[in-house]
Amino acid sequence: EVKLVESGGGLVQPGGSLRLSCATSGFTFTDYYMSWVRQPPGKALEWLGFIRNKANGYTTEYSASVKGRFTISRDNSQSILYLQMNTLRAEDSATYYCARAPEIYYYGSSYYYFDYWGQGTTLTVSS
Amino acid sequence: QIVLTQSPALMSASPGEKVTMTCSASSSVSYMYWYQQKPRSSPKPWIYLTSNLASGVPARFSGSGSGTSYSLTISSMEAEDAATYYCQQWSSNPPTFGGGTKLEIK
Repeated sequence: EVKLVESGGGLVQPGGSLRLSCATSGFTFTDYYMSWVRQPPGKALEWLGFIRNKANGYTTEYSASVKGRFTISRDNSQSILYLQMNTLRAEDSATYYCARAPEIYYYGSSYYYFDYWGQGTTLTVSS
Repeated sequence: QIVLTQSPALMSASPGEKVTMTCSASSSVSYMYWYQQKPRSSPKPWIYLTSNLASGVPARFSGSGSGTSYSLTISSMEAEDAATYYCQQWSSNPPTFGGGTKLEIK
């Protein structure tokens, strides 16, 4: 059974830092792109970034809104995904989800989407 | 980045009613993905590669579209379908989500 369990959320002051974790099990972690998505209260989903799989060198991509402040990494020996968040702002307050992105081969091309999501962990940035 | 606009933002339907919601992309995308989210729950994959139902999704759901225009249709609304539905593209980086359509039961 595929499981993704986020942890590490909490209350942080503006300008502070926090690291979120996503513990995974039930699949070969290194085979998959992994991503972070957040959702402010009552608002839509926002993709933050992803880290590619072993075959693609574990490289990363970020949204413009967090590039330079957030860093995604992975511990492949323990199948854990991380999100390091620095210089936090009030607008970073949200529920943070990790999500798995399988590669789908379809008519000779590769596509990705989010097929498993964690339950989310909540970050509040406030003084 | 590709902007996805979902309409309507809010809609309600009676049991048995046909429901259609749309997702418009600012540039052409190859395929569209849809997620269902209920309150206090994480999103669930619902439709992938435009028209394929994810595991466990009832057959009354369908997806269609191409280019910049996509839609999700429920052939006969049931109470359990009340939720917010998000479209998402990953034809080009960054992947983006639409603003969501909240579907309520009348």
